[in-house]
Amino acid sequence: QSVLTQPPSVSAAPGQKVTISCSGSSSNIGNNYVSWYQQLPGTAPKLLIYDNNKPPSGIPDRFSGSKSGTSATLGITGLQTGDEADYYCATWDSSLSVVVFGGGTKLTLL
Amino acid sequence: DVQLVESGGGSAQPGRSLRLSCAASGFTFDDYAMHWVRQAPGKGLEWVSGISWNGARMGYADSVKGRFTISRDNAKNSLYLQLNSLRPEDTAFYYCAKSRDYELPPPCDYWGQGILVSVSS
Repeated sequence: QSVLTQPPSVSAAPGQKVTISCSGSSSNIGNNYVSWYQQLPGTAPKLLIYDNNKPPSGIPDRFSGSKSGTSATLGITGLQTGDEADYYCATWDSSLSVVVFGGGTKLTLL
Repeated sequence: DVQLVESGGGSAQPGRSLRLSCAASGFTFDDYAMHWVRQAPGKGLEWVSGISWNGARMGYADSVKGRFTISRDNAKNSLYLQLNSLRPEDTAFYYCAKSRDYELPPPCDYWGQGILVSVSS
């Protein structure tokens, strides 16, 4: 059972938009920055969003992040087949003094 | 370019030990915290341990506390993870990851390719 809760799967058609939620508590998301990672099949995770809503250099602006209270959301617009992957949220838990990950969300294109 | 290359994985029997290494290049190693994250086959990401830029602060997941030890050698641009008292549930790909900051909180902006640790009798 992960500290951060994500839906196990989401799906959408190519070209459409999808959002992935990440729910936590005041000790983690509520008081710390959230980051998002994309893991393509058979590869290492890749940082997509950091500090709630900042994309690293080279990340397309189709990817966006937001945070409100104890929840965060990853948005992906203009879905492409190459976006099919697992997506993870992560943050620091101030009470536990550990890094916590969400359980991951598998994105499938219809 | 930033490169993180893990080594030292392999098979071990329950109760035995392994030592993972991560060779870093392409950035000023002692400016950043470093982490180990693992992923059991077919499962999600699990943070294992992290260490601050100077090694003064370390953190561990409850699942490995008391059995695993993280360390770093800034002179050798290397990160290590000593895995003792291995259990079958420690079987996973272990990733070395660089933090964007000098302290433990995430994010991790670069990841190694991962190395497999398999624990079975």
